[in-house]
Amino acid sequence: RKEVEQDPGPFNVPEGATVAFNCTYSNSASQSFFWYRQDCRKEPKLLMSVYSSGNEDGRFTAQLNRASQYISLLIRDSKLSDSATYLCVTCEGGYQKVTFGIGTKLQVIP
Amino acid sequence: EPEVTQTPSHQVTQMGQEVILRCVPISNHLYFYWYRQILGQKVEFLVSFYNNEISEKSEIFDDQFSVERPDGSNFTLKIRSTKLEDSAMYFCASSGGAEANEQFFGPGTRLTVL
Repeated sequence: RKEVEQDPGPFNVPEGATVAFNCTYSNSASQSFFWYRQDCRKEPKLLMSVYSSGNEDGRFTAQLNRASQYISLLIRDSKLSDSATYLCVTCEGGYQKVTFGIGTKLQVIP
Repeated sequence: EPEVTQTPSHQVTQMGQEVILRCVPISNHLYFYWYRQILGQKVEFLVSFYNNEISEKSEIFDDQFSVERPDGSNFTLKIRSTKLEDSAMYFCASSGGAEANEQFFGPGTRLTVL
């Protein structure tokens, strides 16, 4: 059974569009949640942490629903530079046991 | 800006050989990690390391693998008797600085087993 499940996409959206990604996790012991971004053949880089209260960083908004074990990422006003794979990540036990989703590929089209 | 570095960037080896992948974590970090990513697949956690010992490991991290922090700066992953299916990108990461939640990843070592 997959522990962190994501739609792999690709999501092809025009510049300026709003796009939303979802992620579900099966490990109820997960304590911390993150979205990472990975460009082709590059290392993952932290985009933002995800909190139950929801958090926003510029054009990016992340939400966590612990009851449904569901995480979301919303990107507003998409830029060409947003094209990447977005990885949903959960951590258990003080950041020791880390689980990545397969990632959702986003392609922003001019 | 401090960064995690990894060497070599690409390692080619024959099946059955041993390889050592090297990482230099960010200097004030306390937690160190190894991950692997087979081409086209997800990033998989291998092991975490804190206070000079393994704190967590996945089922992938069997007796074929070992980690070491031989000095104050390097963090190594040794893979004994490599198999074809060990071919992957191996990422090192570290965390535990001011931004304690964030794991900073190195650029990775691409391992090719022939």
